[in-house]
Amino acid sequence: DAKTTQPPSMDCAEGRAANLPCNHSTISGNEYVYWYRQIHSQGPQYIIHGLKNNETNEMASLIITEDRKSSTLILPHATLRDTAVYYCIAWGPNSGYALNFGKGTSLLVTP
Amino acid sequence: ETGVTQSPTHLIKTRGQQVTLRCSSQSGHNTVSWYQQALGQGPQFIFQYYREEENGRGNFPPRFSGLQFPNYSSELNVNALELDDSALYLCASSLWDRPSYNEQFFGPGTRLTVL
Repeated sequence: DAKTTQPPSMDCAEGRAANLPCNHSTISGNEYVYWYRQIHSQGPQYIIHGLKNNETNEMASLIITEDRKSSTLILPHATLRDTAVYYCIAWGPNSGYALNFGKGTSLLVTP
Repeated sequence: ETGVTQSPTHLIKTRGQQVTLRCSSQSGHNTVSWYQQALGQGPQFIFQYYREEENGRGNFPPRFSGLQFPNYSSELNVNALELDDSALYLCASSLWDRPSYNEQFFGPGTRLTVL
């Protein structure tokens, strides 16, 4: 199954856009890119997912490169409540349809 | 619509004992997955049940077992507890009806401490 690589930590000022990168150079054509986040002491929360096209929902935008080897999660106007660990996951038949969380990126939003 | 609930919230056991953790899925969901999260690590996939059948398993020994019931509640059983089993155990449920989409809804977890 495809492995994802994320920076261990990032900072973002409140009100600014947070751009969280993810490398998934070995992702196969039938694997989706899923993003979850985990706020301290809570269970993970689904954010967004995509295959090839860019996606947007009420929480975030997902930009996937044309070669699908990397993606960026964008939180357009970060708030203090967005402080969390963000996980990028390659999901599909190669992973047995399991969510294989890595270590994620710890995002700190500062006032 | 109620969310995913887990019980108990906290549990303390001693090495060698057995433990059963419980999860109540979100209404209408047909899939439940269990994860182990050690301190400072991401959740690790244990196994997944789809319509009462196990349909995926992570790298965990057979002493980790589970059940999913017709009402889509489920159990995680761990036998012969070891100190390294101390972790947060997370349950997640989903309505998996399309190959492309499996948004999982997580419960708050059960914190297991093995002494």
